[in-house]
Amino acid sequence: QVQLVESGGGVVQPGKSVRLSCVASGFTFRAFAMHWVRQAPGKGLEWVGYIWYDGYNKYYADSVRGRFTMSRDNSKNTLYLFMKDLKPEDTAVYYCAKDAVGEGPDYLEYWGQGTLVTASS
Amino acid sequence: SYDLTQPPSVSVSPGQTARITCAGDKLGDKSVSWFQQKPGQSPVLVIYRGIKRPSGIPERFSGSNSGNTATLTISGAQAMDEADYYCQAWDSFSAAVFGGGTKLTVL
Repeated sequence: QVQLVESGGGVVQPGKSVRLSCVASGFTFRAFAMHWVRQAPGKGLEWVGYIWYDGYNKYYADSVRGRFTMSRDNSKNTLYLFMKDLKPEDTAVYYCAKDAVGEGPDYLEYWGQGTLVTASS
Repeated sequence: SYDLTQPPSVSVSPGQTARITCAGDKLGDKSVSWFQQKPGQSPVLVIYRGIKRPSGIPERFSGSNSGNTATLTISGAQAMDEADYYCQAWDSFSAAVFGGGTKLTVL
């Protein structure tokens, strides 16, 4: 069965950086686009961005473009989100999600359990 | 920017039909997904491409999408269906847009 396991969250000082990881199993990772979605405490879902199956194209939300960078290592079945210059408003649970197709976007078929990032001094 | 509008809350009695709407400009021309999120859990896809139901999702969940409104219908709502529901579509720049979410209460 499809499994997506995020890690790397924690308390990070504003202005600092952190890298999240999402390890995938149960499907051919290298064949599918992947997304990051976040959810601030008590708030709704906010899309962060997505990356094609081969990492060639990436799309970001306006709110994170220039500060966040997605990448993937298909040999390790792992998706990454590098977040720099963190702001308090970046505090959220970060989910990775699998798209149904390789180049996307189509639909977010499966989601991980999420990892909490808290940007606070 | 593209916006999707959902009612903050919907309430029904067990066994009744719950309808959750999602409004957006020419939304009927877009592919809409619906996600269910229970407290403390990750979102789960319940409807994709407007009307399709993933395997494992009960038949009581259905979707429609026309004009400026997409609708998630839960026929014969059960207590286990209590959750937040989010609609989602793609804007013209391949960015995902989520509605604000609707809290469904079944009691």
